[in-house]
Amino acid sequence: QVQLKESGPGLVQPSQTLSLTCTVSGFSLTSNSVHWVRQPPGKGLEWVGAIWSGGSTDYNSALKSRLSISRDTSKSQVFLKMNSLQTEDTAIYFCTSGTGPFAYWGQGTLVTVSS
Amino acid sequence: DIQMTQSPSLLSASVGDRVTLSCKASQNIYKYLNWYQQKLGEAPKLLIYYTNSLQTGIPSRFSGSGSGTDYTLTISSLQPEDVATYFCQQYNSWWTFGGGTKLELK
Repeated sequence: QVQLKESGPGLVQPSQTLSLTCTVSGFSLTSNSVHWVRQPPGKGLEWVGAIWSGGSTDYNSALKSRLSISRDTSKSQVFLKMNSLQTEDTAIYFCTSGTGPFAYWGQGTLVTVSS
Repeated sequence: DIQMTQSPSLLSASVGDRVTLSCKASQNIYKYLNWYQQKLGEAPKLLIYYTNSLQTGIPSRFSGSGSGTDYTLTISSLQPEDVATYFCQQYNSWWTFGGGTKLELK
């Protein structure tokens, strides 16, 4: 069955770079897109960006200058890198799949930005 | 960017009640509207896609409707397991979520 799982550091210092990995199973990255969505503790959901089946990417315009999404299809992994982190980037980061409706989600990984 | 506004932000209802949650877009989203349920500590779960299509495995007490800028999620008979926060999401232009409606038992 389709599964997604996020991994990465739980704590990042301000101004540093966040690196997260989403490992997928049950589908191919060359046939399906993967999106990143984040949720500050106790708040709503924000679309972060996506990598499409062909490898192209789209980013939230508010984060675009700090964000990069890439993938390794041989390992079924998608990578998110966000630089110049600030405390407002503290959130649960989810990877999810779908082209509009997001039917499959990872469990999420909490990233805390703090010194 | 398209803004999504949900109301109310908090809703208290009793088991068996018919419950209606609202979502308003800042411009016409042509029915490209999804609903998600998120329970505490869990990832969101897709309930309804394209305004009124029920996701596989979701109970039929959930339904969606709307058009243009105004959309609703209805739970025909509230069950204890429906306590959660509900988010709408538009995907007509990129993807934006509403702020959520927290549904609790009275």
